[in-house]
Amino acid sequence: DAGVIQSPRHEVTEMGQEVTLRCKPISGHNSLFWYRQTMMRGLELLIYFNNNVPIDDSGMPEDRFSAKMPNASFSTLKIQPSEPRDSAVYFCASSVGTVEKLFFGSGTQLSVL
Amino acid sequence: KQEVTQIPAALSVPEGENLVLNCSFTDSAIYNLQWFRQDPGKGLTSLLLIQSSQREQTSGRLNASLDKSSGRSTLYIAASQPGDSATYLCAVGGNTPLVFGKGTRLSVIA
Repeated sequence: DAGVIQSPRHEVTEMGQEVTLRCKPISGHNSLFWYRQTMMRGLELLIYFNNNVPIDDSGMPEDRFSAKMPNASFSTLKIQPSEPRDSAVYFCASSVGTVEKLFFGSGTQLSVL
Repeated sequence: KQEVTQIPAALSVPEGENLVLNCSFTDSAIYNLQWFRQDPGKGLTSLLLIQSSQREQTSGRLNASLDKSSGRSTLYIAASQPGDSATYLCAVGGNTPLVFGKGTRLSVIA
């Protein structure tokens, strides 16, 4: 099993540009989560999906952030336009259920200049 | 709203020492509690999961305990090794997805 796969591993962009982060969950997992990690705030849940349906997006900081899950094997997190304060590590994670053992990807280190 | 606190934020111990990491949470209505390990620049790896009906879980040199009534969990690491150096995060699952503490950064000195 390849685990949760995220791409890109690193992203450096300029303020105002669109950023798209990608995630492939573990096959058979029906819950997918996007987290953001910063030194100041720790790990914050942005949004989660259950059976490809967004359940709670209250953690999405602004309308500049959007997430989709078009099928069970793929999800994207988009930031448009990006700002320097969006710089963080973004993690995707998946599990069999909403509160079961959680498996994380390696994360995307985003730097917005 | 569930809040998870981990104390201390950082800990440095000599190799071979037994140690305890602490986690506290504000809402005792939980389904489970998970301990994760995060190495620098890497994702999180689940170490132990304790269901709300359980008191503890063990894996090798790790033992995690759960006291729901007091809102506390501990992670005990026996005979610490330099390879145990990492950040350890506690996360609580309830009516909402996992809520994480900010972690304890552990350094085991050879």
